[in-house]
Amino acid sequence: NAGVTQTPKFRVLKTGQSMTLLCAQDMNHEYMYWYRQDPGMGLRLIHYSVGEGTTAKGEVPDGYNVSRLKKQNFLLGLESAAPSQTSVYFCASRRGQSNSPLHFGNGTRLTVT
Amino acid sequence: RKEVEQDPGPFNVPEGATVAFNCTYSNSASQSFFWYRQDCRKEPKLLMSVYSSGNEDGRFTAQLNRASQYISLLIRDSKLSDSATYLCVVNGGTSGTYKYIFGTGTRLKVLA
Repeated sequence: NAGVTQTPKFRVLKTGQSMTLLCAQDMNHEYMYWYRQDPGMGLRLIHYSVGEGTTAKGEVPDGYNVSRLKKQNFLLGLESAAPSQTSVYFCASRRGQSNSPLHFGNGTRLTVT
Repeated sequence: RKEVEQDPGPFNVPEGATVAFNCTYSNSASQSFFWYRQDCRKEPKLLMSVYSSGNEDGRFTAQLNRASQYISLLIRDSKLSDSATYLCVVNGGTSGTYKYIFGTGTRLKVLA
């Protein structure tokens, strides 16, 4: 099993450009999450999904959109990138049980110039 | 007050030492607790879940104190390879079980 796979691993964008980050998991997990991690701050939740076809906002959703058309995939979109979105983005998934831990992908380093 | 607080460190300890980290959380209704390890520029990886009765995994021991709202991680016989950032994670409570709150992490450096 590959676990949670994120693509791309690195990306540099110019302000105003758009892009989509892909997260794929092969563990049949119900829940999927997108986090961003910035220096000196804990991981902050952008959006999450409790199942195929459903998404919800986390604590820092502005400037991002998500879709979960298939259970195994969770896409994060940036419609018009801003320098404030320079960050490391992590996708995670977990089983439906409430005490299940998160399993992370290996991250995407995004720089917006 | 932050929902989950950790001492950022760094904790610099010699090989073979015992080191302990604490983490406090503000929501008394929190339900699940975890310790993750994060190496530089890598993803967080689950170290261990934390159970009410306390639990041990090799050199690592985790404890939960619900009355005082903190969890702890004890590392015995520290190895160079234990050098990393340790993240405290709390799940559940009134925000719902979807929400995992991360501490900013405690850096550990094990010195030869």
